[in-house]
Amino acid sequence: GAVVSQHPSWVICKSGTSVKIECRSLDFQATTMFWYRQFPKQSLMLMATSNEGSKATYEQGVEKDKFLINHASLTLSTLTVTSAHPEDSSFYICSARVAGTIGEQYFGPGTRLTVT
Amino acid sequence: DAKTTQPTSMDCAEGRAANLPCNHSTISGNEYVYWYRQIHSQGPQYIIHGLKNNETNEMASLIITEDRKSSTLILPHATLRDTAVYYCIVRVGGSGGSNYKLTFGKGTLLTVNP
Repeated sequence: GAVVSQHPSWVICKSGTSVKIECRSLDFQATTMFWYRQFPKQSLMLMATSNEGSKATYEQGVEKDKFLINHASLTLSTLTVTSAHPEDSSFYICSARVAGTIGEQYFGPGTRLTVT
Repeated sequence: DAKTTQPTSMDCAEGRAANLPCNHSTISGNEYVYWYRQIHSQGPQYIIHGLKNNETNEMASLIITEDRKSSTLILPHATLRDTAVYYCIVRVGGSGGSNYKLTFGKGTLLTVNP
């Protein structure tokens, strides 16, 4: 149980285009989902927290107009990187917190984004 | 959330127990200790968590000192597949709200050698 999937697992896009990444909790409902970014040889950095049906809360320094987050249902959150640039190339990871529990978070396998 | 201190790296022989320490001297009474690991190019994997008492599951054991200022994650019989970065995180537990986020430090790179 407690499986989180991400799609796509990797994507290459051209500079200036937008990319959407999906995060799904497959066998549980997640009222809260989190989006992280990880650069090579670095730790995970939290970008934003999203609650189902409400606006996402972004961490300091993360541009909310560039990284659009939608959490329309209890099992799906999406991250759209708008007008992507090479510096946005990174490993994007989502996690979902199990509703009504002590708060274990389960992570997706990650999406490798390369912007050329 | 309280900060944690972990060694940068550790080595362990395959089949032996791996003991990963974590210091969290400023932990608050309502903060839990969580352990996650990340195998290269994958998302983090939940291992175990605890508040005061020692905990054990199919993956590992978590030993928390009586004063709760430090803890040790024990992998009883390490295998090559346990090679990963292990993160010790302290965080307020409970459900509800949007502030129950996990803040990752640098973690410990555990290398299991044959």
